[in-house]
Amino acid sequence: TQLLEQSPQFLSIQEGENLTVYCNSSSVFSSLQWYRQEPGEGPVLLVTVVTGGEVKKLKRLTFQFGDARKDSSLHITAAQPGDTGLYLCAGSSGSARQLTFGSGTQLTVLP
Amino acid sequence: EAGVVQSPRYKIIEKKQPVAFWCNPISGHNTLYWYLQNLGQGPELLIRYENEEAVDDSQLPKDRFSAERLKGVDSTLKIQPAELGDSAVYLCASSFDTGELFFGEGSRLTVL
Repeated sequence: TQLLEQSPQFLSIQEGENLTVYCNSSSVFSSLQWYRQEPGEGPVLLVTVVTGGEVKKLKRLTFQFGDARKDSSLHITAAQPGDTGLYLCAGSSGSARQLTFGSGTQLTVLP
Repeated sequence: EAGVVQSPRYKIIEKKQPVAFWCNPISGHNTLYWYLQNLGQGPELLIRYENEEAVDDSQLPKDRFSAERLKGVDSTLKIQPAELGDSAVYLCASSFDTGELFFGEGSRLTVL
């Protein structure tokens, strides 16, 4: 079983601060996805990274896939209360349909 | 376009009772997933279907859980009998070829 560990598990920050959350594994993934989940909703895809070292930006969010494709990070600049949610990484090896989710980082951005 | 639809949204039952959850995926999505999610944690795969075939059910507790996807569209997940530890959110998701999963809002189960 491939394990994806996310850190920190909980993060509470003030509006305007920057933050980084991490997703680590001992396994190599062919691709890695990041999802955000709000209370009472299902996770929603933010980004997919497939190439080692790849960096993708989505407005104030920057995603990076590790060179060895074993880890990833999500950096948020100038966090806003609307960024509050559970951030989940999910790795795929082999078939894109075989997806393993990480343990999640619960982010709270205080106004 | 309608998203993934799940029902019921909430279910409260006593232990040892049966319960069933229903999922209607996005039209045209051939892959359907059932996940279990505990509060504040990541989803854990229970079963994955490719059309009507269960291709990954290694994490499904088969002594009490069962699932079906007749005709390769809708799916039902059943628990019989339910135990206290089954209290969780049961998420259904579907995908096509891109690898992006589209999730429903989930069915929250409370076992008393």
